[in-house]
Amino acid sequence: DGGITQSPKYLFRKEGQNVTLSCEQNLNHDAMYWYRQDPGQGLRLIYYSQIVNDFQKGDIAEGYSVSREKKESFPLTVTSAQKNPTAFYLCASMGLEGTDTQYFGPGTRLTVL
Amino acid sequence: EDQVTQSPEALRLQEGESSSLNCSYTVSGLRGLFWYRQDPGKGPEFLFTLYSAGEEKEKERLKATLTKKESFLHITAPKPEDSATYLCAVQAPPGNTGKLIFGQGTTLQVKP
Repeated sequence: DGGITQSPKYLFRKEGQNVTLSCEQNLNHDAMYWYRQDPGQGLRLIYYSQIVNDFQKGDIAEGYSVSREKKESFPLTVTSAQKNPTAFYLCASMGLEGTDTQYFGPGTRLTVL
Repeated sequence: EDQVTQSPEALRLQEGESSSLNCSYTVSGLRGLFWYRQDPGKGPEFLFTLYSAGEEKEKERLKATLTKKESFLHITAPKPEDSATYLCAVQAPPGNTGKLIFGQGTTLQVKP
């Protein structure tokens, strides 16, 4: 089955810790995206990458970091510098030829204890 | 500033009671408008893409339309399984980055 997987589904972090959220896709998509979703708000873009070894900041990149070493993988690290990290994190991917539709993974819910 | 506003924030319908959800947008050059459905605790599921004013797309009980300023998601004779949050997003220049600007969503509850 082709699709996007995110792990873990639930993640708990103590204050001061860095945590890494996994995102993998087997759709052969070039572009990948990380969004944050808070209750009552729209999805907000954190980082995106259109090719391997290259990525750009989105609207709320402060306190986050990413890497894109493989086409299939785009992990997100939530650092201790992110002051309010409790949220639902969504990864998406998109092919850059033909369709321009983003497809989303199932999400990771991060809670700071 | 590019912006997307959805209304109402919440909508309660009886089964079979048709209605519409609104998505108003202000962008400097629309590349595409997207509708997604999101169930609680899950990722958004793609529904439709609209590219130009006058375009319409249908899927089962859902029909999406687009004008130069807004899009409507019409729900005909809804069923309880249509209960979800419906998200609208627009894609605007520059370039083909794929960046989307999302509205805050409309949460639909359909009662049997």
